[in-house]
Amino acid sequence: RKEVEQDPGPFNVPEGATVAFNCTYSNSASQSFFWYRQDCRKEPKLLMSVYSSGNEDGRFTAQLNRASQYISLLIRDSKLSDSATYLCAASNYGGSQGNLIFGKGTKLSVKP
Amino acid sequence: GAGVSQSPSNKVTEKGKDVELRCDPISGHTALYWYRQRLGQGLEFLIYFQGNSAPDKSGLPSDRFSAERTGESVSTLTIQRTQQEDSAVYLCASSPRQGNQPQHFGDGTRLSIL
Repeated sequence: RKEVEQDPGPFNVPEGATVAFNCTYSNSASQSFFWYRQDCRKEPKLLMSVYSSGNEDGRFTAQLNRASQYISLLIRDSKLSDSATYLCAASNYGGSQGNLIFGKGTKLSVKP
Repeated sequence: GAGVSQSPSNKVTEKGKDVELRCDPISGHTALYWYRQRLGQGLEFLIYFQGNSAPDKSGLPSDRFSAERTGESVSTLTIQRTQQEDSAVYLCASSPRQGNQPQHFGDGTRLSIL
């Protein structure tokens, strides 16, 4: 089983839509979780950290479900500029200590 | 403040040559990470440093790959006797310390082996 799994998409949505991505992780000892955004041929950029209580930043909401070992990202009122690949990451202990394990990303395309 | 800086931005070289990639982390960040990303693929972990030590080298694909870090700052990733399958973007990231910290990435070095 892969350590961090994401639906690769693509998710094709119209402007203004609400879209949600899930990401599952296999290491129950993981403590920290993050969502990154990666534009084509660019480096990943930190979008937001994911806290146990859930957190919101404008149109973006991230949640953590430890029991089911998944994190989610909700984007409301999608903009054309939200088109990108969204990577989730989980801290990895017991294996590569100190490292983050990244999913392969979910591609989002927002259409006019 | 300055972000993670990588050089060169692009490198084209012939198969069999050695290449050296450089990463300058964010000042004060003690943890430094190297990843490889092939076209259309996810991030592949290579190695990370805590200070100048590399506790985990398990991600290095072969003994042609090596990395070092000095002064708890600059790191170099060296690939010897390059092969065409080494063509990828090599990304460096740093974080204040290992563990529960988000990583901040440089722009990457795009390596093309002819």
